[in-house]
Amino acid sequence: EAGVAQSPRYKIIEKRQSVAFWCNPISGHATLYWYQQILGQGPKLLIQFQNNGVVDDSQLPKDRFSAERLKGVDSTLKIQPAKLEDSAVYLCASSLARGGRRNTEAFFGQGTRLTVV
Amino acid sequence: AQSVTQPDIHITVSEGASLELRCNYSYGATPYLFWYVQSPGQGLQLLLKYFSGDTLVQGIKGFEAEFKRSQSSFNLRKPSVHWSDAAEYFCAVGARAAGNKLTFGGGTRVLVKP
Repeated sequence: EAGVAQSPRYKIIEKRQSVAFWCNPISGHATLYWYQQILGQGPKLLIQFQNNGVVDDSQLPKDRFSAERLKGVDSTLKIQPAKLEDSAVYLCASSLARGGRRNTEAFFGQGTRLTVV
Repeated sequence: AQSVTQPDIHITVSEGASLELRCNYSYGATPYLFWYVQSPGQGLQLLLKYFSGDTLVQGIKGFEAEFKRSQSSFNLRKPSVHWSDAAEYFCAVGARAAGNKLTFGGGTRVLVKP
């Protein structure tokens, strides 16, 4: 079974530029998450999708971050304009999340390391 | 709101020695609890999970964790550490009432001495 795919692996941009990250979850997984992991910290949830609907985006800085999950499969996360403090690893995860609680296990991609200079 | 505390930022252990990583959570009901491991430049790999039932949970790579409701803890243990266990370890809590989203602790970095 293929895992969660993310691209690019690394990205360096200047502040005020825009950037986009792509995620392809495990086939059949209804729930998709984007996490931000700043160096030395644990991952923080930015947004959670159930199919193509947003379940939780309470910690997404909506003035500069946006995300979409068209057709309930792939997802893109965009930052526009980027700030220095956006430097982090952006992790995508997916889970079945249908029915029983045992389907809540989240599988993570390798992440995109963003450096804003 | 759910929260997770990992009191130890760094732990250094000798190869072959035992390891215990502490995790304390805060949540009003019975949570789902997870331990993930992250090697440098890699994503998060699930070591083990607790949903209900037996409070001692076995995971991959020889790890186990014990859920103690009275102490709101879910500590991770390994009897004999290998050099390949050097990594960062994250405890996470989830709950169906919270949409199954995971809240992570700050992580514990484990260094293994030869």
